[in-house]
Amino acid sequence: QVQLVQSGTEVKKPGASVKVSCKASGYTFTNYYIHWVRQAPGQGLEWMGIINPSGGRTTYAQRFQGRGTMTRDTSTSTVYMEMSSLRSEDTAVYYCARSDTGHRLDYWGQGTRVTVSS
Amino acid sequence: DIQMTQSPSSLSASVGDRVTITCRASQGISNYLAWFQQKPGTAPKSLINAASSLQSGVPSKFSGSGSGTDFTLTISDLQPEDVATYYCQQYYSFPLTFGQGTKVEIK
Repeated sequence: QVQLVQSGTEVKKPGASVKVSCKASGYTFTNYYIHWVRQAPGQGLEWMGIINPSGGRTTYAQRFQGRGTMTRDTSTSTVYMEMSSLRSEDTAVYYCARSDTGHRLDYWGQGTRVTVSS
Repeated sequence: DIQMTQSPSSLSASVGDRVTITCRASQGISNYLAWFQQKPGTAPKSLINAASSLQSGVPSKFSGSGSGTDFTLTISDLQPEDVATYYCQQYYSFPLTFGQGTKVEIK
């Protein structure tokens, strides 16, 4: 069965970086895109960007360009999302989600809580 | 960016009721519209894509309709396990955008 398993909770200080992983299984890794979506406490869902695991091409939402980096490791079927220069407003649960080429999100990871606090 | 506006923001209904949630896009998105259900402390779950196609395993009590700018999600025979926040999302163009969510509770 399709599974996306994310890394565990992170606590970071303002200005630091965080790298969250999303390990895929149960399907051909390079046949589906991976998106990152975040959710601040008590808030809605915010799309951050997408990576094509086949060639590594990425597209970011404008507000994450320059601060967010998505990469993949095809040998381990894992996608990574790194955010730099963290601020308190980046405190959120970060989700990875799979989509087909039409960008229909179907399976989601369990989420990774990132807390940014001094 | 395409703005997605849901209404109402929250609703309270009785067990067995039929409830409808509306989602409006700021520009035409054809049928590139999905609905998600999110229960507290869990990841969103895909219910519907292409405005009206039920995801595999989703009960037929959920149904979607619409095209262009106006869409609806209907939940028939509301049950306690349907208590959740429901989000619409457009995948017509980047950035993908979500509605602000509709919280459904039992009266």
